[in-house]
Amino acid sequence: NAGVTQTPKFQVLKTGQSMTLQCAQDMNHEYMSWYRQDPGMGLRLIHYSVGAGITDQGEVPNGYNVSRSTTEDFPLRLLSAAPSQTSVYFCASTQRVGTEAFFGQGTRLTVV
Amino acid sequence: ILNVEQSPQSLHVQEGDSTNFTCSFPSSNFYALHWYRWETAKSPEALFVMTLNGDEKKKGRISATLNTKEGYSYLYIKGSQPEDSATYLCALSGSARQLTFGSGTQLTVLP
Repeated sequence: NAGVTQTPKFQVLKTGQSMTLQCAQDMNHEYMSWYRQDPGMGLRLIHYSVGAGITDQGEVPNGYNVSRSTTEDFPLRLLSAAPSQTSVYFCASTQRVGTEAFFGQGTRLTVV
Repeated sequence: ILNVEQSPQSLHVQEGDSTNFTCSFPSSNFYALHWYRWETAKSPEALFVMTLNGDEKKKGRISATLNTKEGYSYLYIKGSQPEDSATYLCALSGSARQLTFGSGTQLTVLP
């Protein structure tokens, strides 16, 4: 049982480049989300989805785009990378509200 | 945006000491309170999810309590071991269903 698979683990981008962080879960969870983790700030919600075809913004959505075409996949797109987007990104999934979240391995992104 | 506060920010204890941390949250707009353990270079892993006022949960030497009326939860570690060293995250899920995390308590257990 793979759980939540997140790729890549590391990425370096130049300012202005775009990329997609991949996230897939094989637990048939309805709810998926993307967080970024910055020193001293904990995990902040970027975007989330409560089911296929439904997405919504979190606390820090600017500069990111998401889609949820299937239950399994929830990719995060950086449209035009900026140094302020240097961070560690985590994807998570939850079966339903009030149940534990399962996290991917994280992506350490550096924008130069 | 819900405000979830954790204290202390960091903590150093000796092996064998017992310790506890606090998570504070707005008592309105509550659905569930989560605790996660996050080791360096790994992903957060769930310890407990609690929904009812007065809930108490235990896993080995770690336990947690919940007071939804006054808006706090305590996490206790009995007889701390070096392998307990990690960041402990509290998270709240409210009516909007997404999780809002506190900034965590970083625990270091000294041998």
